[in-house]
Amino acid sequence: DTEVTQTPKHLVMGMTNKKSLKCEQHMGHRAMYWYKQKAKKPPELMFVYSYEKLSINESVPSRFSPECPNSSLLNLHLHALQPEDSALYLCASSTGQGVAGNTIYFGEGSWLTVV
Amino acid sequence: AQSVTQLDSQVPVFEEAPVELRCNYSSSVSVYLFWYVQYPNQGLQLLLKYLSGSTLVKGINGFEAEFNKSQTSFHLRKPSVHISDTAEYFCAVSPQYAGGTSYGKLTFGQGTILTVHP
Repeated sequence: DTEVTQTPKHLVMGMTNKKSLKCEQHMGHRAMYWYKQKAKKPPELMFVYSYEKLSINESVPSRFSPECPNSSLLNLHLHALQPEDSALYLCASSTGQGVAGNTIYFGEGSWLTVV
Repeated sequence: AQSVTQLDSQVPVFEEAPVELRCNYSSSVSVYLFWYVQYPNQGLQLLLKYLSGSTLVKGINGFEAEFNKSQTSFHLRKPSVHISDTAEYFCAVSPQYAGGTSYGKLTFGQGTILTVHP
């Protein structure tokens, strides 16, 4: 069973709404990630947090705003999204240390529909 | 930069038959290799990984894969599949950069949909 928990599982939002996706991991990992997966496509990396600091932003539009309140929690704040942002948003984590830090564990994802 | 090619977009197979899902990669640096499975409407589950050591790695649900550095391949195999193995399978690589700066930088293939028929 995955130990990366994402809420909500489904979210429908209008283009003027502000909403947030939440992620929690209970494995003591110090690196956390957001990936985006469009239908029938592989996941693509959006953000990397390492020891609660943003270390990678893969040129993601500013309407997506990540936040890492502590080592167990990761949020993705959404504002003024477009219909093409509809996708499965996957949170993931890894130890963030040594060779094992390269093994990424994913959550179940949050399905986002922008109307 | 890395790229991953999964040679078959769809693989149909009958229950209890063997299966091989093929994965080739390209990279200018050494890589770590992974296979993930995604069941319908779910997230990704790690099947197996190659980080170092024996090139034959065993994973969950009876799957195994062999890393072939000379052929830059990491094919996934199972000797006897079940209906419950029906899912999409992703091969992925991440670069072996020093200092852990590669964490999270998975490059995925386009996926292979395995359909197991009764």
